[in-house]
Amino acid sequence: GAVVSQHPSWVICKSGTSVKIECRSLDFQATTMFWYRQFPKQSLMLMATSNEGSKATYEQGVEKDKFLINHASLTLSTLTVTSAHPEDSSFYICSATFLTGAVDQPQHFGDGTRLSIL
Amino acid sequence: KQEVTQIPAALSVPEGENLVLNCSFTDSAIYNLQWFRQDPGKGLTSLLLIQSSQREQTSGRLNASLDKSSGRSTLYIAASQPGDSATYLCAVPKTSYDKVIFGPGTSLSVIP
Repeated sequence: GAVVSQHPSWVICKSGTSVKIECRSLDFQATTMFWYRQFPKQSLMLMATSNEGSKATYEQGVEKDKFLINHASLTLSTLTVTSAHPEDSSFYICSATFLTGAVDQPQHFGDGTRLSIL
Repeated sequence: KQEVTQIPAALSVPEGENLVLNCSFTDSAIYNLQWFRQDPGKGLTSLLLIQSSQREQTSGRLNASLDKSSGRSTLYIAASQPGDSATYLCAVPKTSYDKVIFGPGTSLSVIP
């Protein structure tokens, strides 16, 4: 089955640093990737949608200058949390899908990245 | 705007019991409905996916049903085990390339 790899799985860093999270589709070309965020004891909320080769679409309330998303290839999307602060500490999960035209395809989720900002 | 709710928010049962988790959604125009399991501090494990044209799906001790017209899905877990303890999320996208709306989850504890 389709596999999405997310890296790193866990990162701790100091306040003010930037953190990059990678999301890779290992055995398919992902035309669209999604980035979700989950705060403790809450459900997952969509942050942004990225289509390969175009700018990401951000959900209301998500700062695009703080959460930089790049989807330069069909197998890789990156989320960079710039100048991270403790309130950015969260669980970040990506998902990927592709358009086949005739075949229904679910989204495939990565294992998530737990980000802790000290 | 699609909203997904799950009842109950938390559930504690003794080992061996059969149980039902409920998921409701407000917009019946869904592409599919997916049930996930999430262990503490971990990512999502896909359990069952029901296409919009289907009524139910089964995998082992799990059975999920879908009633689009009423905006409901249930996840039935038979003969629960302590290893089933986790948070269960239901999720619906409008299309195959649209964002997925997650429910808040049901936290399940199966007591040995």
